[in-house]
Amino acid sequence: EVQLVESGGGLVKPGGSLRLSCAASGFAFSSYVMHWVRQAPGKGLEWVSSFSRTGPYIYYTGSVKGRFTISRDNAKNSLYLQMNSLRVEDTAVYYCARGGGLATTDFDYWGQGTLVTVSS
Amino acid sequence: QSVLTQPPSASGTPGQRVTISCSGSSSNIGSYSVNWYQQLPGTAPKLLIYSNNQRPSGVPDRFSGSKSGTSASLAISGLQSEDEADYYCATWDDSLQGVFGGGTKLTVL
Repeated sequence: EVQLVESGGGLVKPGGSLRLSCAASGFAFSSYVMHWVRQAPGKGLEWVSSFSRTGPYIYYTGSVKGRFTISRDNAKNSLYLQMNSLRVEDTAVYYCARGGGLATTDFDYWGQGTLVTVSS
Repeated sequence: QSVLTQPPSASGTPGQRVTISCSGSSSNIGSYSVNWYQQLPGTAPKLLIYSNNQRPSGVPDRFSGSKSGTSASLAISGLQSEDEADYYCATWDDSLQGVFGGGTKLTVL
């Protein structure tokens, strides 16, 4: 059974940092492009970042470029999102999702999400 | 403001057919496949339609997708109460980003 389990969310002050993790199981993690998607409270979905199967193809939405860093460890079946210089508008549930390929948005499995709250 | 435009709401009665539109541009829908997601309250999104009109295993054939030019649509026939949810379209963009529509809240009357 495919499982994606996010962790690392929490309350952080503006300007602070957090590192999200996504533990994958039940599939060949290294064979899939992985993504982060977020959803602000009461708002719609927003794609955040993608990491190709082994790199070096990495993409970010404009509002997080230079502040967020996506990475993966195929040996540990894990995806990460290092978030620096956090802003109030980064407050959201962050989902890890498995993708069908690069430059696509067909995410066939999602985690349950982890809530990041940026507030003073 | 989302790159892809969806109506904020839609509604129908049980058994009816409803459609949800998704409008984009030549840099996104016009160039890439469109995918649709269903999000029930308090849950993670679920892939409903991929590659414009393909259904993942387990998705009822009441759900169908289509794409023409820079627009796409999701159709739900034989509407059921459990279809009440938020629906999102998504695709890639030439700016090297994934893009979602703003979402459509479907109400079953």
